[in-house]
Amino acid sequence: DAKTTQPPSMDCAEGRAANLPCNHSTISGNEYVYWYRQIHSQGPQYIIHGLKNNETNEMASLIITEDRKSSTLILPHATLRDTAVYYCIVRVAGGGADGLTFGKGTHLIIQP
Amino acid sequence: DTAVSQTPKYLVTQMGNDKSIKCEQNLGHDTMYWYKQDSKKFLKIMFSYNNKELIINETVPNRFSPKSPDKAHLNLHINSLELGDSAVYFCASSQGWATETQYFGPGTRLLVL
Repeated sequence: DAKTTQPPSMDCAEGRAANLPCNHSTISGNEYVYWYRQIHSQGPQYIIHGLKNNETNEMASLIITEDRKSSTLILPHATLRDTAVYYCIVRVAGGGADGLTFGKGTHLIIQP
Repeated sequence: DTAVSQTPKYLVTQMGNDKSIKCEQNLGHDTMYWYKQDSKKFLKIMFSYNNKELIINETVPNRFSPKSPDKAHLNLHINSLELGDSAVYFCASSQGWATETQYFGPGTRLLVL
């Protein structure tokens, strides 16, 4: 699986959009970008994933650059409950047998 | 309704003991996993289990063994517990190997004294 690089921490004001970057310059053509988050003392939670098109669901939007070497997770209206560690994971679809490889992630702190 | 549940939530035990952690999922998934999150907060896969196929992370000691009585359960047995086994253990499930959308349990916090 391609390696990802994320800032260790970020702050965002409540009610504003939180934009979390992820670099994955060695991504292969068949690798997807996945985002999970882990709220303190809870299990990780799936947020969104994409291949090359931008994706949006009820939780967030995922913007992938045209060369696919980086992506941004956008939480449109951050709330205090969005404070968590956010993990960007790159892997081939169908590679589930190996489990997910979590890096250090970005600790997003939403400020009131 | 809880999708993936684990028991117990907390487990404190002495070195050398044998313990089990239970995991149940009511999502109808056919693939389950065990992850370990150490004190540095790194999450690592331990086992992946799909029907009759078990994938083991080669770094996991053979004191750890998963047991699946049925598709909805994947329990984790740990023999001869060591201090280094202290961690949070997460169970997860997904619909087959082909999806990366995994659903995680709340975790079991194991402390070995």
